[in-house]
Formats: sequence, C-alpha cells, structure tokens
Amino acid sequence: KAGVTQTPRYLIKTRGQQVTLSCSPISGHRSVSWYQQTPGQGLQFLFEYFSETQRNKGNFPGRFSGRQFSNSRSEMNVSTLELGDSALYLCASSFLGLAGYEQYFGPGTRLTVT
Amino acid sequence: SQQGEEDPQALSIQEGENATMNCSYKTSINNLQWYRQNSGRGLVHLILIRSNEREKHSGRLRVTLDTSKKSSSLLITASRAADTASYFCAPRRGNEKLTFGTGTRLTIIP
Repeated sequence: KAGVTQTPRYLIKTRGQQVTLSCSPISGHRSVSWYQQTPGQGLQFLFEYFSETQRNKGNFPGRFSGRQFSNSRSEMNVSTLELGDSALYLCASSFLGLAGYEQYFGPGTRLTVT
Repeated sequence: SQQGEEDPQALSIQEGENATMNCSYKTSINNLQWYRQNSGRGLVHLILIRSNEREKHSGRLRVTLDTSKKSSSLLITASRAADTASYFCAPRRGNEKLTFGTGTRLTIIP
C-alpha cells in the first residue's frame, strides 16, 4: 500500500496570503489528522477529520481550517499568513485495527512565510 | 486527550551501544505507538504495543509497557549512526486526538 502523501512538499508564501495543503491518506484509512511542528512549540495538533466531519480540534485560531472529501483526502487552509505560520505541516491517517487506532504520518509540507 | 512525556530529553551514546528511552502517560490507553523523526522529516511509525501486551520486538527494537505504572520504554540495540533522530511516544485511548511531547533526541556517536 502507498503511504500518506502530502503536496506540495515545499512552499514559500508572503505574509497576508493564504495557502492550501493537501493530504492523501493510506487507502482504507478514514481519519486524517493535521499537525504543525515548529522548533519553539514542537508538534501541535491542529484538527482531525473522520468521514468528512471534524472529530477533534486543537487550539489554533480560525485562520486554520480544514476539510475532508468523500474519498478521505483532506485539505488544510491557512488564511492571512503570518511569519509565525512558518512550520512543517504534517498529515497523518489512521485506521481502527484490532489494537485500537493506528496512525501513520506523511512526509510533511515545509511552509515558509516571508 | 493525553500526551506521552519522553525521558530523557536528549541522549548521546557510542555506535554499537544500546539506547533506552522512556515514556510516561496519565490515563488508561488502548495502545501506545512509538515514532522516529529524522530532522525536518515526517514521523516514521516504529511499533505499536497493545494495552494487554507487556513486551514487543521488531528487529533491533524492543518495547515494554507497564500499564500499572503508566509507562513504556523503547530499547534500540546495537545502535547505528542512522538511528540518530528524535523519538516520540503516543499513548492512545479510543478516538481521542493523538498529541505529542517533546521527544527524546538520540545522537549516535561514530
């Protein structure tokens, strides 16, 4: 099976712009989670989608939003970019196995805001 | 939700030695997963241990779980330079969100 894929892998944007990141989960996985990783704050949970519905949410401002499509692919949008949004954005897909939920990560999208 | 707390924060060992890192958590879990992250890359899933398992092996990795102490350990035997990375544990309960601590930064000295 192919792993979690994220596009684009690298992105440079200007402050004030908006950006959309895409994530394709492992085939059969219905849950997709998004994380932001920065040197100062570490790995922080943004939100999780399951069957097109947001199931869990982190503590990020409304500028960060997401959605999930019927094929489980997910997008994350950040509007009015700030310098502090520069980070590695990680997507993870999960499935419910015999041992509970198992989560697998994609390679990440490196966003630089200038 | 809960997150695992890894200890130590940083660990440096000679190549060929064994590395042990620990994880503590606060509430009951269904499973606990360990991940590795090389600098600037995604997290790689290493191993999952169920709440009713006490020990699990995968290649040079050995994971233990003590639910009474709410702790887990990851042992990497015969370390290699390629094992240099950050390691994270992720205790999971139901469909609660998976959150992460700061990890253990492992450095293998050639």
